[in-house]
Amino acid sequence: EPEVTQTPSHQVTQMGQEVILRCVPISNHLYFYWYRQILGQKVEFLVSFYNNEISEKSEIFDDQFSVERPDGSNFTLKIRSTKLEDSAMYFCASSESGRAGGNSPLHFGNGTRLTVT
Amino acid sequence: QQPVQSPQAVILREGEDAVINCSSSKALYSVHWYRQKHGEAPVFLMILLKGGEQKGHDKISASFNEKKQQSSLYLTASQLSYSGTYFCGTEWMNTGFQKLVFGTGTRLLVSP
Repeated sequence: EPEVTQTPSHQVTQMGQEVILRCVPISNHLYFYWYRQILGQKVEFLVSFYNNEISEKSEIFDDQFSVERPDGSNFTLKIRSTKLEDSAMYFCASSESGRAGGNSPLHFGNGTRLTVT
Repeated sequence: QQPVQSPQAVILREGEDAVINCSSSKALYSVHWYRQKHGEAPVFLMILLKGGEQKGHDKISASFNEKKQQSSLYLTASQLSYSGTYFCGTEWMNTGFQKLVFGTGTRLLVSP
């Protein structure tokens, strides 16, 4: 079964550094998402992306964050000037159709655990 | 504004039943249910669209009450494999067409 893949699985960075989290969505999916989950807490929506544009973003997704689809397969999340509170598991997801699914579920990758020291 | 789930945690013996509720303060277009095991990604269970439908998946089913803006997940004859955290994800009418917002989660532990 096709799956969403994320790299790296674990990233450690120092406060103030920039990190790029990478994702390869399922190949025929058109909608892409980033979520984050602070340890033991709920899964928080960050951003959705379609047709090379941001569709929706949350209040968490400020100027510190950006997303890009640099080629036909990768989808990246860049976090600039990382802070301690950015430490979390970051999940990429993709879906076949829009309306966050509607009829189409989100398929999640296994996540990247970001640790900011 | 996130959907509210209840209860926060449930402990069951194998074979017992449980109900997890998800309520929204905004009009809902759809409700998704996902299960997340510790250290893993959320895994899709089912989607319910507006229309008050009920769906089933093995011994797990769900209902969607559009008027009350809530959904319930029913776990019958629970198995050890049902343990995990259950999240509802809501998509609201008129806003956020590509924005699935998850609830606070319900931790379910099934013991032998």
